[in-house]
Amino acid sequence: NAGVTQTPKFRVLKTGQSMTLLCAQDMNHEYMYWYRQDPGMGLRLIHYSVGEGTTAKGEVPDGYNVSRLKKQNFLLGLESAAPSQTSVYFCASSSPGLAGGNSYNEQFFGPGTRLTVL
Amino acid sequence: AQSVTQPDIHITVSEGASLELRCNYSYGATPYLFWYVQSPGQGLQLLLKYFSGDTLVQGIKGFEAEFKRSQSSFNLRKPSVHWSDAAEYFCAVGLVGIKAAGNKLTFGGGTRVLVKP
Repeated sequence: NAGVTQTPKFRVLKTGQSMTLLCAQDMNHEYMYWYRQDPGMGLRLIHYSVGEGTTAKGEVPDGYNVSRLKKQNFLLGLESAAPSQTSVYFCASSSPGLAGGNSYNEQFFGPGTRLTVL
Repeated sequence: AQSVTQPDIHITVSEGASLELRCNYSYGATPYLFWYVQSPGQGLQLLLKYFSGDTLVQGIKGFEAEFKRSQSSFNLRKPSVHWSDAAEYFCAVGLVGIKAAGNKLTFGGGTRVLVKP
């Protein structure tokens, strides 16, 4: 049971290059998330998904796209990388709370991907 | 929109001393409240959470947190820190009663804890 895994762990890009970050979870979770972590700013939500085939924007979605073609995978794409996208990216997953929306289940996090854009 | 403030960016504490990390939130109702810990080079791990009921919540690794509605605070405490508690700690809030919210969380900026021998 690997939990949440992220590929790759490190990457260096040049401005304008594209890349895809892969997140995989083996806990059969409905919900998946992509965050970026920058010093002093905590984690900020980029995009999230509440189920296979669905995605939604988070707090800082500009410059990123996502896809959830399979329940266990959530891909984060950078079409044209910019230095402002230098960050550590975390994927997380969780299961829905109780019916009615009045509960929260824990988010489980991957180990992160450190991305540098030159 | 909700927000979370962790006023202390860094805290240095001696091993064996007590630790308190502050968290204040801004939201129109009592949100769901969480504390996560991030060890160097690792992802985040849940320490504890508060939904309702007893305002003093016990978590893993000997941590506890107290919810104070009047102060909009959810401070994290540990009576005696160990060197392994050196990490970054994040407070987070979740919205209440919105089915489509997808369990989204809003995180504070984090507090980095250094432990002196």
